[in-house]
Amino acid sequence: DTGVSQDPRHKITKRGQNVTFRCDPISEHNRLYWYRQTLGQGPEFLTYFQNEAQLEKSRLLSDRFSAERPKGSFSTLEIQRTEQGDSAMYLCASSPGVLSYEQYFGPGTRLTVT
Amino acid sequence: GENVEQHPSTLSVQEGDSAVIKCTYSDSASNYFPWYKQELGKRPQLIIDIRSNVGEKKDQRIAVTLNKTAKHFSLHITETQPEDSAVYFCAAGGGSNYKLTFGKGTLLTVNP
Repeated sequence: DTGVSQDPRHKITKRGQNVTFRCDPISEHNRLYWYRQTLGQGPEFLTYFQNEAQLEKSRLLSDRFSAERPKGSFSTLEIQRTEQGDSAMYLCASSPGVLSYEQYFGPGTRLTVT
Repeated sequence: GENVEQHPSTLSVQEGDSAVIKCTYSDSASNYFPWYKQELGKRPQLIIDIRSNVGEKKDQRIAVTLNKTAKHFSLHITETQPEDSAVYFCAAGGGSNYKLTFGKGTLLTVNP
């Protein structure tokens, strides 16, 4: 499968714990995005990378959230001190290059905070 | 920032009928408008997109139209089939803004 992959697919954690998700983009895609989707809503932008540089971060993103893309390939999204309101589907998407706007999504990681 | 409104939130049609979903956007700098289909429990799938230098684009049974002056764009699905049943999202972005802003989605049900 050469599409975007995410791991884990499901995560159940207790409030206050830290969690980390991984995203592997389509090979040679320069841009990588993180979105969050809650039931009945469209994906909501969190942050994106151009290669290893994090170029934009949503103002809605709490300081408890951090993302990295250290070598310009896979990315990780960490949530510290999780809260019940963090329960959502976390989607990763990748995009081919500088002149391309198309984004291709991964299957998502469903986070449940109890 | 960009704001995208999508209507209707639910749409039920008979197999073989046409379906139309409409979106409006607020940022005149946006110039890229994709549509995604999301089946239950699956990833959003890009089905068609349009850029602002084009007024209409068609791919088999689906088409998208764009009115940049009025800041609205629409998805048209003809000869609907039960497998078209899903949630459809519109989005806007482009220019120096590589992120996408999504509408809230339309649940399309095609009844056999």
